[in-house]
Amino acid sequence: GNSVTQMEGPVTLSEEAFLTINCTYTATGYPSLFWYVQYPGEGLQLLLKATKADDKGSNKGFEATYRKETTSFHLEKGSVQVSDSAVYFCAPARRDDKIIFGKGTRLHILP
Amino acid sequence: DTEVTQTPKHLVMGMTNKKSLKCEQHMGHRAMYWYKQKAKKPPELMFVYSYEKLSINESVPSRFSPECPNSSLLNLHLHALQPEDSALYLCASSEGLAGGPPDTQYFGPGTRLTVL
Repeated sequence: GNSVTQMEGPVTLSEEAFLTINCTYTATGYPSLFWYVQYPGEGLQLLLKATKADDKGSNKGFEATYRKETTSFHLEKGSVQVSDSAVYFCAPARRDDKIIFGKGTRLHILP
Repeated sequence: DTEVTQTPKHLVMGMTNKKSLKCEQHMGHRAMYWYKQKAKKPPELMFVYSYEKLSINESVPSRFSPECPNSSLLNLHLHALQPEDSALYLCASSEGLAGGPPDTQYFGPGTRLTVL
């Protein structure tokens, strides 16, 4: 069936470290790929998205490239900040707009 | 304005109570969603409304009853809930235009529900 696999957390890094959160998905029919972020006590916010193969989404220093050949959408940031501490969800979306959320990766950044 | 508002922020109810959750957006979006999120889990889709009509019901128990009075409002009526229904209930909306790529969903802050 359709599924999303993202690296299990929690991930703990020091401020200014390099971040990668891996995400792979199975099945075809995902025209768009999203990363959503959930800060403590809040709802989800769109972090970035890509709507076709080889598209790169970017926002707030985060980047992810839609890799159709490896069915991946890994999230990266060159230098994390304490304020990046949150839960990150990889989320492919189907043509009917239904989102398939990954399990979420909790990120904790130490000052 | 890219805001989705939800009321109340917190709700405590007994198993015999009837209550409602409310969601509102003024972005002109035609699709609205209800999700349930348990602690340390991803959101689970419950219902989708498209152009004010229910388009997806993810086999949600009938003690949850959605309603879309108009294109800006979405309600979730609750009756005879169980303690395991305690969760964060998130509302979202998207443009919902047919034929285009999947839209960004804009989420509200959620209602934290506790069923005693």
